[in-house]
Amino acid sequence: GAVVSQHPSWVICKSGTSVKIECRSLDFQATTMFWYRQFPKQSLMLMATSNEGSKATYEQGVEKDKFLINHASLTLSTLTVTSAHPEDSSFYICSARVLPGLAGGPYNEQFFGPGTRLTVL
Amino acid sequence: GENVEQHPSTLSVQEGDSAVIKCTYSDSASNYFPWYKQELGKGPQLIIDIRSNVGEKKDQRIAVTLNKTAKHFSLHITETQPEDSAVYFCAASIRGAGNMLTFGGGTRLMVKP
Repeated sequence: GAVVSQHPSWVICKSGTSVKIECRSLDFQATTMFWYRQFPKQSLMLMATSNEGSKATYEQGVEKDKFLINHASLTLSTLTVTSAHPEDSSFYICSARVLPGLAGGPYNEQFFGPGTRLTVL
Repeated sequence: GENVEQHPSTLSVQEGDSAVIKCTYSDSASNYFPWYKQELGKGPQLIIDIRSNVGEKKDQRIAVTLNKTAKHFSLHITETQPEDSAVYFCAASIRGAGNMLTFGGGTRLMVKP
C-alpha cells in the first residue's frame, strides 16, 4: 500500500526557534499533501493543503507566516514552524493524496504519515 | 461546510463482543467515507472506506454501512480483540473539493480481555 513517512518523529526545541518537519510519499506521487495538527485526546484539525509547485492553502485561523509550507516535489512537503512557542506543542501529521488513476482510484484516498511530536520548551 | 458527528466518544467492550461506532454528516454532497484507526503516538491508518454508490462494505471482521438518505454511516467490528483497542475516526469528503477530509471527534475503543 501507499506509505507516507515523516521526519523527525519527535522534536524538542526552545521557544523562539524554528522547526522543520518533512513529509514524504515513499512509493507513490502525490500532487496534494495535507498538514494536520492534533492536540491530546482531540481529533485531527486540518491546517493547510499543500499543492506541488504552488502556494499552500491555509485553513481559517492558521497563520501562514508562522507555519511555512513548501511542496517542492511530488514526493516531499515540508512544514516549518517558525518562532515556536509552547502553545505550538502538538502532534503534527501529514497525509498524501494518491494521484488519480493509481491505487486511490477516482476518490483519491489520503494516506497518513506516522506523525511528529513537537514539544516547545 | 461539512460537519461530522461521531458517537460514542468512548466504548468499552468485552473481548469477542461486537463494537459499533456511528457517524452523521451534514453535507449531502459528501460521497466518500473512510474510517481510520489511530494507535497511541501514531498516525491514523485507513482501515476501511465506503463510497456513496454502495450501502455496505465488509473486510473480514470490519464492516461499514452507509445510509445516504439519513446521512449516517457506521463502523462494525465483530469478534473484537485486545489489539482492536485504539481511537477510531470517521471522516467524510466531497469529490472535487480537493479531497479535504472532515473528521469526526473520534471514539476511544477499549477491548477488555
